[in-house]
Amino acid sequence: DAGVIQSPRHEVTEMGQEVTLRCKPISGHNSLFWYRQTMMRGLELLIYFNNNVPIDDSGMPEDRFSAKMPNASFSTLKIQPSEPRDSAVYFCASSLRQGAKNGYTFGSGTRLTVV
Amino acid sequence: DAKTTQPPSMDCAEGRAANLPCNHSTISGNEYVYWYRQIHSQGPQYIIHGLKNNETNEMASLIITEDRKSSTLILPHATLRDTAVYYCIVRVDYGGSQGNLIFGKGTKLSVKP
Repeated sequence: DAGVIQSPRHEVTEMGQEVTLRCKPISGHNSLFWYRQTMMRGLELLIYFNNNVPIDDSGMPEDRFSAKMPNASFSTLKIQPSEPRDSAVYFCASSLRQGAKNGYTFGSGTRLTVV
Repeated sequence: DAKTTQPPSMDCAEGRAANLPCNHSTISGNEYVYWYRQIHSQGPQYIIHGLKNNETNEMASLIITEDRKSSTLILPHATLRDTAVYYCIVRVDYGGSQGNLIFGKGTKLSVKP
């Protein structure tokens, strides 16, 4: 299994531009999570999906952030418009189900820099 | 979910056992203890979890005190590749389904030659 696949690995964009981050979960996993990591705030849960349905988006910082999961094998996190304070590493993770005791599998992350 | 307390950093000599402590004094009966680690520039990686019994797998051992208020992750023979930030997380069990992973600041373990 290739694991959780995120793209791009690195993204540099100008303030005000739209940014789309992509994630392919492990085949057969029913839950998908988006996290953001910064030096100041550490790892924060932004949103998660069960069976492609968004369950809790209370961690999404602002309306500029949106996430979709159109099918079981693909999810996107979009920031529009982007701001310098959005610079962070964004991780996607998946699990067999939300409460799976064997834990989550994380992707390698997308490092976003907004200038 | 209960809060955990970990030392911000620890050193360990290569080949020796690394013992990483975690306090979770407010843990409730239906909360599991999880350990993840994050090697530089990578996503977090699951290590081990337990409820009240000690657990061992190919990566590590987890020792949970009888009152469950603290635990220790043991890497029996640390290597340079074990240098990482180690996160201790308590996670509620809703009768088969568990709450989400909420990460704290973790312990930065440095394994030295």
